[in-house]
Amino acid sequence: DGGITQSPKYLFRKEGQNVTLSCEQNLNHDAMYWYRQDPGQGLRLIYYSQIVNDFQKGDIAEGYSVSREKKESFPLTVTSAQKNPTAFYLCASEIPGTGNTIYFGEGSWLTVV
Amino acid sequence: AQSVAQPEDQVNVAEGNPLTVKCTYSVSGNPYLFWYVQYPNRGLQFLLKYITGDNLVKGSYGFEAEFNKSQTSFHLKKPSALVSDSALYFCAVNGNTGGFKTIFGAGTRLFVKA
Repeated sequence: DGGITQSPKYLFRKEGQNVTLSCEQNLNHDAMYWYRQDPGQGLRLIYYSQIVNDFQKGDIAEGYSVSREKKESFPLTVTSAQKNPTAFYLCASEIPGTGNTIYFGEGSWLTVV
Repeated sequence: AQSVAQPEDQVNVAEGNPLTVKCTYSVSGNPYLFWYVQYPNRGLQFLLKYITGDNLVKGSYGFEAEFNKSQTSFHLKKPSALVSDSALYFCAVNGNTGGFKTIFGAGTRLFVKA
């Protein structure tokens, strides 16, 4: 079945550590996104990519980094520079252009211990 | 700049009663409007969208939404609520301005009481 796979579902990070969240899609979508969701909050855009080898900062990119070496993959690294990383992270993808539906993965919980 | 507002943090309704979750938007040009639902610890699921045509859009799980251009609204409705409809609902807009970024509302939590 086509879809977006995020892993791991739950991840714990120690202070000063970098961690990477995986996002893989087999929908053949060019555009991919990373959102952050805090408990009881809406979605905030971290990074997005419209095509391979290109990505743009979203509204809250500080402390995060991404890569887009393959169309199917858009990993997010939460660096030690992100001072408050505990949140639910959502990866999404779509066919670029207005009016198209965004498809979401099941999300990853990151907790700082 | 485009924006979307969901004026209610929470909506409470009794099972069997009709429900409405409100959404207003601001965008230049013709808007593309979406509703998504999120269950606990899950990703967002697409419910329905308005692109053009009939102002009343029907979607998944018996939900529908009415596009009202004069009021710049896109309220989500269901004639008879189920306890299983309890979830977080997001309205989203993608303006026809040449940009592609979809803007999400803050979300409305729906509680359906048995």
